[in-house]
Amino acid sequence: QVQLQQSGPGLVKVSQTLSLTCAISGDSVSSGRAAWSWIRQSPSRGLEWLGRTYYRSESKWYYEYAVSVKGRISINPDTTNNQFTLQLTSVTPEDTAFYYCARDLVGAGAPWFDSWGQGTLVSVSS
Amino acid sequence: EIVLTQSPGTLSLSPGERATLSCRASQSVANTFLAWYQQKPGQAPRLLIYGASSRATGIPDRFSGSGSGTDFTFTISRLEPEDSAVYYCQQYAGSPPYTSPPYTFGQGTKLEIK
Repeated sequence: QVQLQQSGPGLVKVSQTLSLTCAISGDSVSSGRAAWSWIRQSPSRGLEWLGRTYYRSESKWYYEYAVSVKGRISINPDTTNNQFTLQLTSVTPEDTAFYYCARDLVGAGAPWFDSWGQGTLVSVSS
Repeated sequence: EIVLTQSPGTLSLSPGERATLSCRASQSVANTFLAWYQQKPGQAPRLLIYGASSRATGIPDRFSGSGSGTDFTFTISRLEPEDSAVYYCQQYAGSPPYTSPPYTFGQGTKLEIK
């Protein structure tokens, strides 16, 4: 059974960088079947996919990001600790949301999120 | 970007009744890459239905999904009080290159059990 455990601060100041970590148990961040995403949820935007990273057999890591946050976002795997991270720079109050990490098995033809982290409410304040 | 529109916005029904929720896509959804989730207050979404009609592990057969192309339906056949939640549909746009997010969600249907 896959479990995702999120950690990181719940309060970030305007213009600073939001950083969250998602620790994985029951699977590997280097899995050739999985993709590891960050999704956020706010009343104004609903559920919004932010980006993902995944590893494939040609020994390559892939990174894909939503246009809405491209240029500010970085999602990185940490194979040593079997986790992945989210960094979102230059935050504004509009980045206030619940942030979730999630897994899907797109590499096995199953692009739906079967495992989720517990969620982190990140508030951006001045 | 494939936009998913869910209806109704809110549904209020009694225990034992049948709930029917709709999810309409602005373009055809590739390979029935359509899923349904349940979200209760303070919790992450929970996968209920994938591939438009398959139940996820441990999901009771009261929950079902159907549809293809641009029109999808989620049904709870006999409502129980614990079904009170917000339900979301989600699609996946298929293989890269992407010009828009590969995953999008509907805005949700709030189901209230009287």
